[in-house]
Parts: sequence; C-alpha cells; structure tokens
Amino acid sequence: KAGVTQTPRYLIKTRGQQVTLSCSPISGHRSVSWYQQTPGQGLQFLFEYFSETQRNKGNFPGRFSGRQFSNSRSEMNVSTLELGDSALYLCASSLDRGRDTEAFFGQGTRLTVV
Amino acid sequence: AQSVTQLDSHVSVSEGTPVLLRCNYSSSYSPSLFWYVQHPNKGLQLLLKYTSAATLVKGINGFEAEFKKSETSFHLTKPSAHMSDAAEYFCVVSVFNNDMRFGAGTRLTVKP
Repeated sequence: KAGVTQTPRYLIKTRGQQVTLSCSPISGHRSVSWYQQTPGQGLQFLFEYFSETQRNKGNFPGRFSGRQFSNSRSEMNVSTLELGDSALYLCASSLDRGRDTEAFFGQGTRLTVV
Repeated sequence: AQSVTQLDSHVSVSEGTPVLLRCNYSSSYSPSLFWYVQHPNKGLQLLLKYTSAATLVKGINGFEAEFKKSETSFHLTKPSAHMSDAAEYFCVVSVFNNDMRFGAGTRLTVKP
C-alpha cells in the first residue's frame, strides 16, 4: 500500500511569489491535514480537510490556503511568500476524523524562501 | 484547550541503557495521546497511541508509554537504547477533528 506522497520534495522560491504544494493521501483516506515545521515554532497545525471541506484551521494568516479534491488529494497554497515561510511542510492522512485515529505522514516538502 | 509539554529538549543515553522521554499533557476533555518519531529528513512515524483502553501502551521497536491521569503524564520508555533510536520524538495530544497538538520535540542522542 503506497504511503502519503508529497510533491515536490524541495522548493526554492523568491519572496513575494506564491507556491502550491501537493499531497496524495493513502488510498481510502478521506482526511488530510497540513502542518508547518520550523526550528523555532516546531510543528504547527495549518488546516484539515475531510471530504473536500475544510473542517479545522490553525492560527495562520489568510495567505495560507488549501483545498481537497474529490479523490482526496490535497493542495496547499501560500501567496506573497515571506522569508519566515521557509519550513518543512508536512501532510498527514487518516481514515476518518476521530480523535484516536492514527495519522500517516508524508516526507514533507522543504520550502526555502530567498 | 489541549497542549503537551515535553520536559526535555535533548536526551543523551549510551547504547544499551534505558531511555526515558517525558511528556505532560493538558486537556479539558479525555484525550488521545501519541508518540511519533522523526528521523532526519523523514516524515513522522507513529510509535504508539493511547486511546483510553489500557494505560500501559506498547509500541513498535520496543517502546512503551504509560498514561497517568493523576500526573497528566505520558512518558515514553525503552529498556535498552539502540543506535538506530537516535531521532526526534514528538508527544502529541488530540481531542477531536484530527486537531493534533505537538510538543516541541525531544532530540534523542545515542552514544556508542
């Protein structure tokens, strides 16, 4: 069974640009969550999608957005990139949205903003 | 609101000695608790989870954790460290809607 796939693995962008990251969940998983990982702030929850609907959102500015398609694949977009957006972005998928449901993580997309 | 505090940012042990990574949680509701491990340049892998069944939870690679409600703790232990255990470990609390709150992480170093 294929795991969670995130593309691209590495990305370098210039301040002010926008970027789109992609996440393909494990087959059959309908919930996809996104996290930002930085040395200073650690792992922070961005948002969660379930059946194409954003059901939960972390404390990030509106420049961070996402969507989920009917096949459960998800994308997140960051507009007007800032240097502080440099981070490892992790995607996690799970079967449902229960509190004790295991989340499976992808290897992440490392975004560098210069 | 729920949160976790990992009491040590860095733990160093010698190979073959016990490992103890400490985690305290705060939650208004009955929580689910997880430990994840992250090796360099890798995603996170689930070690074990507590979901209100047994308070002593056994995970992969010889790790286990004990849920202590009176102490609001969920410490991770392993009897004997292996070089391959060197990684970053995250304690996680989840209440609902897959809103997982991560601790700051504990970096485990294993000396030969």
